[in-house]
Amino acid sequence: GAVVSQHPSRVICKSGTSVKIECRSLDFQATTMFWYRQFPKKSLMLMATSNEGSKATYEQGVEKDKFLINHASLTLSTLTVTSAHPEDSSFYICSASDRPISGNTIYFGEGSWLTVV
Amino acid sequence: AQTVTQSQPEMSVQEAETVTLSCTYDTSESDYYLFWYKQPPSRQMILVIRQEAYKQQNATENRFSVNFQKAAKSFSLKISDSQLGDAAMYFCAYRSANTGNQFYFGTGTSLTVIP
Repeated sequence: GAVVSQHPSRVICKSGTSVKIECRSLDFQATTMFWYRQFPKKSLMLMATSNEGSKATYEQGVEKDKFLINHASLTLSTLTVTSAHPEDSSFYICSASDRPISGNTIYFGEGSWLTVV
Repeated sequence: AQTVTQSQPEMSVQEAETVTLSCTYDTSESDYYLFWYKQPPSRQMILVIRQEAYKQQNATENRFSVNFQKAAKSFSLKISDSQLGDAAMYFCAYRSANTGNQFYFGTGTSLTVIP
């Protein structure tokens, strides 16, 4: 079946630096990818919708200047946490679909742990 | 955004017994999908079962079945013959059939299976 891969699976960065997380669809073209954030023992919160070739759509309350999303190709979306702070430490998960509208299968990445020290 | 509510933060079940996890949701749409996802300690989201809102028949996948009550906006998951490997966080999720592929997740239920 289709696979969505995230890299890195774990990253530690210093406060004030930026870190990039990649989400790749390995055997299908993903016109749309989604980024979620999950705090410990909490649910997944949708952060933004990443659209290939256009600007991401952010959910209310998500700082678009802090969480930069780029969907440069049909198989790659990146989430860059800029000027990271300890409160940005979290588990980030992406999902992807090969079609823009529901009815199809959605695939989740394995997730990426970000720790800001 | 749609809201999905799971009122049971934690549940436990004896191995080989049956447990039911509750989920309610709020939507004004008539066409949508409902899901139960399992998240083990590895954090990988695993699809357990899926229900199309237009289908009256409850979905079943081996030991997993749902009780879908559209009018009541209720979508519970029943796990029969519970196994140790069923221990995980379970998330109920909603996805529109018309407006995109984003999921709206409930707060999750942590299931413990007692040997």
